[in-house]
Amino acid sequence: AQSVAQPEDQVNVAEGNPLTVKCTYSVSGNPYLFWYVQYPNRGLQFLLKYITGDNLVKGSYGFEAEFNKSQTSFHLKKPSALVSDSALYFCAVRDLNNFNKFYFGSGTKLNVKP
Amino acid sequence: DGGITQSPKYLFRKEGQNVTLSCEQNLNHDAMYWYRQDPGQGLRLIYYSQIVNDFQKGDIAEGYSVSREKKESFPLTVTSAQKNPTAFYLCASMPGPGGELFFGEGSRLTVL
Repeated sequence: AQSVAQPEDQVNVAEGNPLTVKCTYSVSGNPYLFWYVQYPNRGLQFLLKYITGDNLVKGSYGFEAEFNKSQTSFHLKKPSALVSDSALYFCAVRDLNNFNKFYFGSGTKLNVKP
Repeated sequence: DGGITQSPKYLFRKEGQNVTLSCEQNLNHDAMYWYRQDPGQGLRLIYYSQIVNDFQKGDIAEGYSVSREKKESFPLTVTSAQKNPTAFYLCASMPGPGGELFFGEGSRLTVL
């Protein structure tokens, strides 16, 4: 079965410090991985994706993610957090047998404190 | 501006009533999706459609119905058979294989 896991329900970080939101995946094959952000009562916004190529993927708003095949991880990172980064973050993996299906993690709430 | 429009933003329904959520996109995407979001559970796929006049059940289709008569439109009906319909509903579209999902702003349904 294909799935993603976000082991932390919540991450707290001070403004200006680096942040990491963790994601691990389980797929049989080469994964297509995605990160999305959601602000309260809003839809999800795409941040970045990994399909192939460089293991370090750069995305929107200064976010980046590192694909690690040996650890089956795709952690989201940002060198310096902003208060406005406070939101709910979702990791997702595409079903390799059906490109129309995505498996989403349960989400991680990021709190950035001034 | 191109995007996905969902309406209404908030909807209240009495038990036993059907309700239809609208989803319109002007991105010229072929594939469209409906997801349900509950706190702490991530997103679950209800239905999806790859082309006009064709759609498939997702993981939690029971109690829901859809239609795809136009490329731009993919309405979702929450029927009285859905046992726990209170949730946040998200419509999405995708430009093609390998692409990412584009989401609307969501519709929050509350059953009174």
